[in-house]
Amino acid sequence: GIQVEQSPPDLILQEGANSTLRCNFSDSVNNLQWFHQNPWGQLINLFYIPSGTKQNGRLSATTVATERYSLLYISSSQTTDSGVYFCAVVGAGRRALTFGSGTRLQVQP
Amino acid sequence: KAGVTQTPRYLIKTRGQQVTLSCSPISGHRSVSWYQQTPGQGLQFLFEYFSETQRNKGNFPGRFSGRQFSNSRSEMNVSTLELGDSALYLCASSLESLTGASEAFFGQGTRLTVV
Repeated sequence: GIQVEQSPPDLILQEGANSTLRCNFSDSVNNLQWFHQNPWGQLINLFYIPSGTKQNGRLSATTVATERYSLLYISSSQTTDSGVYFCAVVGAGRRALTFGSGTRLQVQP
Repeated sequence: KAGVTQTPRYLIKTRGQQVTLSCSPISGHRSVSWYQQTPGQGLQFLFEYFSETQRNKGNFPGRFSGRQFSNSRSEMNVSTLELGDSALYLCASSLESLTGASEAFFGQGTRLTVV
């Protein structure tokens, strides 16, 4: 099946810093989503971005499907950005999401 | 518009027992998927239902089963619980699209502890 790798696995930032999270996938995809998992376990939708670029406030994402990677940018980070960020894809011809192992982000005041 | 609702939020069961978890999708969504999250294995796909039919199944033993009702609500059942079944179980709903893939929205999850 399709493989999804996220980097870095852990990231510690000072409040106000910027960061880039990367997601590499091994095959063509029909769907790519970025999630933020809150402390209670719920996956919060950040972006649905099988290709192209999107922005939502301080967050933006870019997916280059032909090169099989996606990037999540967080600017001017805040302590509330802390948590685990997941990239998940649906491989071509499939219907289930395959998740990466996540990036654990800690933003310190 | 209400989101995906999972019940119960927390559950403690004894080894050997069985458990049923419930998921109500977003109104109008007909696809419901279930995922298991554990510290060791991460997030793994269990199964997906659409119009009361199981369309896809992950690599889990037969003790894990599910069903979907005509109103799109779904239940998953785990029989003969094992300690390793302790996990966060997440349900996702999505609209059907022409490509077969569309944005998934997750519920708050059910945290199951097997003792």
